[in-house]
Amino acid sequence: DSGVTQTPKHLITATGQRVTLRCSPRSGDLSVYWYQQSLDQGLQFLIQYYNGEERAKGNILERFSAQQFPDLHSELNLSSLELGDSALYFCASSTRQGYNEQFFGPGTRLTVL
Amino acid sequence: GENVEQHPSTLSVQEGDSAVIKCTYSDSASNYFPWYKQELGKGPQLIIDIRSNVGEKKDQRIAVTLNKTAKHFSLHITETQPEDSAVYFCAASRSGGATNKLIFGTGTLLAVQP
Repeated sequence: DSGVTQTPKHLITATGQRVTLRCSPRSGDLSVYWYQQSLDQGLQFLIQYYNGEERAKGNILERFSAQQFPDLHSELNLSSLELGDSALYFCASSTRQGYNEQFFGPGTRLTVL
Repeated sequence: GENVEQHPSTLSVQEGDSAVIKCTYSDSASNYFPWYKQELGKGPQLIIDIRSNVGEKKDQRIAVTLNKTAKHFSLHITETQPEDSAVYFCAASRSGGATNKLIFGTGTLLAVQP
C-alpha cells in the first residue's frame, strides 16, 4: 500500500458526460501528479500540482482540468467524454518539488460507452 | 522531444534465472531513473531508482545500472521467482527543476515460469 488513495475504483459513463476523479496523497506529500494509462499511449503524464499550484502540464486535453485543494487532495475533471478517454487514471504523490520519488495510487478505471 | 525506449516488450525466464530489461532515454538533462513494477489491477510500485551521479545501485535481488554517456540504463533481477511476474516500467525525469514529471518506457511483461 503506497498511502495514496483514489476514488472511485471503477467508473462507467456515457459519451458526452462529465466525471470527477479524486486523489488523496500520502500524508505530508505536497506534490500530486496525474497520469493516464492506455493500451495505445502507455503511461502518459497529464498534470502536476504542488501545494495547490499548477506546476506542469503534459499531454492533457482541454476538456480535462484538475485542481489541488488546501487539504492537498486533488481532483481530475474530465468533460465531454469520448470513447477514446477510456483508460486507467493514476494519481501519484511526492514529498516536495524537486524530489522525484513518486508513489502511485491504485488508479481509477474509466470506461466510456 | 523526450522519449524513453524500453526492450524487450516481453520476457519469459525460468525460475531462478536472471532477467535484464534495458532502456534508452533521449533527454540528456534527465538525472533520475526509477523502475516500477505493475501487477494486474494495481498501480505502479516503485522498486528501485538511480540518480545520474551513481553508476550502479543494488537492493537484494534487483540492481540498476546507468551509462550516462550512452544514455542507457538497465534493470537486473537475479534468482527470479514466480512473484516477480509483472509488467516493469522504466522512467526518466529531471530532478530539481520546476517539474519532475516521469517519462515512461512502454513496459516489459516479465513471466517467470516455475
